[in-house]
Amino acid sequence: KAGVTQTPRYLIKTRGQQVTLSCSPISGHRSVSWYQQTPGQGLQFLFEYFSETQRNKGNFPGRFSGRQFSNSRSEMNVSTLELGDSALYLCASSLDRDIRGTEAFFGQGTRLTVV
Amino acid sequence: AQRVTQPEKLLSVFKGAPVELKCNYSYSGSPELFWYVQYSRQRLQLLLRHISRESIKGFTADLNKGETSFHLKKPFAQEEDSAMYYCALKASGSRLTFGEGTQLTVNP
Repeated sequence: KAGVTQTPRYLIKTRGQQVTLSCSPISGHRSVSWYQQTPGQGLQFLFEYFSETQRNKGNFPGRFSGRQFSNSRSEMNVSTLELGDSALYLCASSLDRDIRGTEAFFGQGTRLTVV
Repeated sequence: AQRVTQPEKLLSVFKGAPVELKCNYSYSGSPELFWYVQYSRQRLQLLLRHISRESIKGFTADLNKGETSFHLKKPFAQEEDSAMYYCALKASGSRLTFGEGTQLTVNP
């Protein structure tokens, strides 16, 4: 079965612009989480969606937002981009959220560069 | 709040030597611990989880609640084990808290 798909793979944006990233989870998976990966900070949790509701949010400013659709596909949006937002953004999907040992499957990420 | 620490950013061993990647965590509840691995140019993937007590590709990890550790071990390292390894803790929902990662290099 198809893995987690993220689009686009690469993006270059200018400071002040906004950007939308997309994630299609594995079929049947209902939980989608987003992470920011940078050389300095490593993997940082952004937010988690389950059944179209945000269930958890990391320590990021309000410029970072997301949503989940009824088919479990998810988007994240970053407004008023800053140079420091340059990172690899990873999406992970899980079958469910509260079952112990549930594996998270990661996409290949979207590489965002802000210039 | 939960925290995961991997004290070694870089670890280099020779093929056939034992390898241990350290992971310590802090969390007041009952955590779930995982090891994820990222091979060159591949996506992040699960290596093993403490709840399964499994051995994958010769790797094992035991959760030590007294020492709050979840070290990853392999008795005989192989060149194909060279990768970035992340220890992760799941406290609630699907949220994972990752350590900083350890880049393992296995030399021939």
